[in-house]
Amino acid sequence: TQLLEQSPQFLSIQEGENLTVYCNSSSVFSSLQWYRQEPGEGPVLLVTVVTGGEVKKLKRLTFQFGDARKDSSLHITAAQPGDTGLYLCAGLPAGNMLTFGGGTRLMVKP
Amino acid sequence: KAGVTQTPRYLIKTRGQQVTLSCSPISGHRSVSWYQQTPGQGLQFLFEYFSETQRNKGNFPGRFSGRQFSNSRSEMNVSTLELGDSALYLCASSSLQGFDNEQYFGPGTRLTVT
Repeated sequence: TQLLEQSPQFLSIQEGENLTVYCNSSSVFSSLQWYRQEPGEGPVLLVTVVTGGEVKKLKRLTFQFGDARKDSSLHITAAQPGDTGLYLCAGLPAGNMLTFGGGTRLMVKP
Repeated sequence: KAGVTQTPRYLIKTRGQQVTLSCSPISGHRSVSWYQQTPGQGLQFLFEYFSETQRNKGNFPGRFSGRQFSNSRSEMNVSTLELGDSALYLCASSSLQGFDNEQYFGPGTRLTVT
């Protein structure tokens, strides 16, 4: 069982659709990070959410940190083929080792 | 500012051999972490080095080791390779300033063990 559970694991949608990816845990995190990884590359940091209830927007991407700081979501509006990739959430629980979720593999078809 | 670089990008080794992977962090970053990524297990933390000292270690056997040099460059070594060690090995550096341990990843080394 992973400390951070991501859902769904796979998502295939058409260009223009909206989607939400979830990152859940029973543990409290001081912050949560979201990364995107494209084939053949390392993950790239998208955003860090720090405050419970915080909402951050990055163009068509909206990130939310749960009030209790145990979960986070990523919402993409009007998805584009360029959004295709592996989305990873990561948090720093007690023990100071950054822990990653299992990832959501997103494919956006033109 | 140049990003994290890893060498080599691709490597094919035979079971029982050993391998050394190299990572150069972003200039000014003193923390370097290593991760193993496989389709089945996802991204798993191997170890973190800061100022030439191992600060944290993941749940991997002793065949996996690393070190960091005074210029913050890091190497990881895997001895007595097993087929299950085939994976993408990612290095990430962090300035440890600002938010918690934001990681800047290199492109990875794809290791195939035959």
